[in-house]
Amino acid sequence: DAKTTQPTSMDCAEGRAANLPCNHSTISGNEYVYWYRQIHSQGPQYIIHGLKNNETNEMASLIITEDRKSSTLILPHATLRDTAVYYCIVLGNTGKLIFGQGTTLQVKP
Amino acid sequence: NAGVMQNPRHLVRRRGQEARLRCSPMKGHSHVYWYRQLPEEGLKFMVYLQKENIIDESGMPKERFSAEFPKEGPSILRIQQVVRGDSAAYFCASSPTLSGRLSNEQFFGPGTRLTVL
Repeated sequence: DAKTTQPTSMDCAEGRAANLPCNHSTISGNEYVYWYRQIHSQGPQYIIHGLKNNETNEMASLIITEDRKSSTLILPHATLRDTAVYYCIVLGNTGKLIFGQGTTLQVKP
Repeated sequence: NAGVMQNPRHLVRRRGQEARLRCSPMKGHSHVYWYRQLPEEGLKFMVYLQKENIIDESGMPKERFSAEFPKEGPSILRIQQVVRGDSAAYFCASSPTLSGRLSNEQFFGPGTRLTVL
């Protein structure tokens, strides 16, 4: 599974959009981009995933560049409860998730 | 539909004792994964199981650790002769099979916090 690179930490004002970038330049054609988050030592929570098209659900949007070498997770209106560690994971059909260090997002009032 | 359930939520053991951690996957899910999170560290994959089969145990320590997912009942992660370094949060996740293909959308339980004295 391809390696990902994320910023260590980011801040976002409450009510504003949070844009979390991820680089995955070695991604291969059949690998998906998954995003999970972990809120203060709770179990990780699935957010969204995509292959090449942009995706949106009730939690977030995922924008994947045309060359698929990077992506951005967008939380459209961040709240204090969105403060968490966000993990970008590139995954084939191996079943196991390889978590990096992720991005610690701090949403501030 | 109940989520992934893990018990106990907190477990305290003395060095040399055994720890048994249980995970009940979501209804209809036949794939179970165990992850470990050491204090102040990231999540590490341990093992992936389907009913009665270990699919990938590449993240399991070679000794003292074992996992099973029997035909009936929960998945069990067993740690024999625990040591202080085993103190960690252990998370279980489950996923369904969709259209005959593994779905990588994993649903996590709340975790078991193991403390070894």
